[in-house]
Amino acid sequence: GAVVSQHPSWVICKSGTSVKIECRSLDFQATTMFWYRQFPKQSLMLMATSNEGSKATYEQGVEKDKFLINHASLTLSTLTVTSAHPEDSSFYICSATRGKQGPAEQYFGPGTRLTVT
Amino acid sequence: GDSVTQMEGPVTLSEEAFLTINCTYTATGYPSLFWYVQYPGEGLQLLLKATKADDKGSNKGFEATYRKETTSFHLEKGSVQVSDSAVYFCALSSAGKSTFGDGTTLTVKP
Repeated sequence: GAVVSQHPSWVICKSGTSVKIECRSLDFQATTMFWYRQFPKQSLMLMATSNEGSKATYEQGVEKDKFLINHASLTLSTLTVTSAHPEDSSFYICSATRGKQGPAEQYFGPGTRLTVT
Repeated sequence: GDSVTQMEGPVTLSEEAFLTINCTYTATGYPSLFWYVQYPGEGLQLLLKATKADDKGSNKGFEATYRKETTSFHLEKGSVQVSDSAVYFCALSSAGKSTFGDGTTLTVKP
């Protein structure tokens, strides 16, 4: 149990276009979903935290107008990279937690490789 | 704020060698501690966890003990395999938020 999927697994887009990445919890309801960015050989950088039905909380330095997050249901969150530029090329990973008590173990999606040309 | 410090890599070992990857943390309160593993091109998978002091997490031959007195959660395995080659992340979770270490790349050679 506790499977998280991401779609697409990889995407190539042209500079100036927008890209939407989906994150789904397949067999549980996620109280909270997280979006991370990972550069090659580096750790995960938390971009934002989202709860169903409320606005996402962005980390300092992350442009909320550029990285739009929508958490439409307890099983789906989307990240839209608007007006993408080559410097937005990265590996984007989502994760989800379930339940409101106990250790906040995160279940990670497989990641989405974004390349902006 | 909370932080996690991991042993710098990369770490290269021969098959069947003993593995230790050090991890120390600073946190307010009583965090839960985790080790995640990331294989090339994939997301992170939970390897093991511990939720309170002196708890030992274990999985697939890996183990780590939550040491409150030394604020540590070192990862160990008695005999590594080539298939253990991956990046290992130590993490803590507190107040609904997780903090990750920088990751340690492990390469196991036959």
